[in-house]
Amino acid sequence: GAGVSQSPSNKVTEKGKDVELRCDPISGHTALYWYRQSLGQGLEFLIYFQGNSAPDKSGLPSDRFSAERTGGSVSTLTIQRTQQEDSAVYLCASSLGGLAEQFFGPGTRLTVL
Amino acid sequence: TQLLEQSPQFLSIQEGENLTVYCNSSSVFSSLQWYRQEPGEGPVLLVTVVTGGEVKKLKRLTFQFGDARKDSSLHITAAQPGDTGLYLCAGPLLYNFNKFYFGSGTKLNVKP
Repeated sequence: GAGVSQSPSNKVTEKGKDVELRCDPISGHTALYWYRQSLGQGLEFLIYFQGNSAPDKSGLPSDRFSAERTGGSVSTLTIQRTQQEDSAVYLCASSLGGLAEQFFGPGTRLTVL
Repeated sequence: TQLLEQSPQFLSIQEGENLTVYCNSSSVFSSLQWYRQEPGEGPVLLVTVVTGGEVKKLKRLTFQFGDARKDSSLHITAAQPGDTGLYLCAGPLLYNFNKFYFGSGTKLNVKP
């Protein structure tokens, strides 16, 4: 596709369940970012991938959060034992790396009941 | 505490007015980017400023990067309803491109 895609667009889950969010970056983009955005707020950095490796995982809020990237392309963000405070929009972005422009996907809106 | 503080948080103005949005930090940034985000969509890059003191113009928008690379401003001349949205500043700290920090955003509403 031409842009960054994310799935699902919306996810409603019950507290305690695990969820997986997917990001398909722009083809050829080596850098991939995950962010979290609460309603009307700025973005909170979660994790950054350069290729398949994540040099900085310090943004992950707790050990319930994990992310992986395979083949230098698709990435999944997994949240285990979801809590209500995990409810937010999760945004993925990709770029050519460094200071290059980040292109964002439309996000996944996660609601934990 | 946000590393990048934006002000004002909310701004509601009439079409044709001018406005300035500020992005401040006590830390030095490699560069600062400005994004605009509309409801239900991801942010879209407007500009990147890299050099301290740099000024960039994009039609009615003027972006400035502070001399010390700790702050930036966005000035809009003769605002239009199409300028409505959430404006975000963001950037990596000096010598660390692994982590991008975003400001909390300025929600702009331009009334016709």
